[in-house]
Amino acid sequence: EADIYQTPRYLVIGTGKKITLECSQTMGHDKMYWYQQDPGMELHLIHYSYGVNSTEKGDLSSESTVSRIRTEHFPLTLESARPSHTSQYLCASSGLSGANVLTFGAGSRLTVL
Amino acid sequence: QKEVEQDPGPLSVPEGAIVSLNCTYSNSAFQYFMWYRQYSRKGPELLMYTYSSGNKEDGRFTAQVDKSSKYISLFIRDSQPSDSATYLCAMRPGTDSWGKLQFGAGTQVVVTP
Repeated sequence: EADIYQTPRYLVIGTGKKITLECSQTMGHDKMYWYQQDPGMELHLIHYSYGVNSTEKGDLSSESTVSRIRTEHFPLTLESARPSHTSQYLCASSGLSGANVLTFGAGSRLTVL
Repeated sequence: QKEVEQDPGPLSVPEGAIVSLNCTYSNSAFQYFMWYRQYSRKGPELLMYTYSSGNKEDGRFTAQVDKSSKYISLFIRDSQPSDSATYLCAMRPGTDSWGKLQFGAGTQVVVTP
């Protein structure tokens, strides 16, 4: 079944640790995105990629970085996590269905102590 | 001021009632308007989208866009307990905005049996 997978679903770590949130999709979509969602707040785009070796920063400034070496894989990395990074991170992708049809993963909830 | 405003709710209705949701926005460049549904601990999923002004119906769901008032609505007829979720409006300009959506903060809907 075509889908988009995020791991880990939940992560609690200490300040200063390096973390990588994984995102993989099996739909062959060329476009992928990372959104950040805090409780009661709107989703904000932090990174996007329109293809392999193409990454851009979104509207919301983020200290995280991303890479796109393979079409299906779009990991997000925080080199040194801080409590301000505590949030839910949602990965999404889009393809031939159009620019409005984003398929989201279930999210990775990060808590930095 | 946020670009997209959405009442957070919660909106509680009895089963079978009509659910009425809405968003207002400030950016007149928005051309595409979407409604996503998000269940607890899940990522958002697209319900429907419309282009420019007008109405669109899909089963029990009707989306309306009034660009002159910068106001969009979603109506859910014959609501079911399974409709209990957070509903997010989203929108984007017509050009150079593939997947880069501006979201509202979401309205929590509770449909009671």
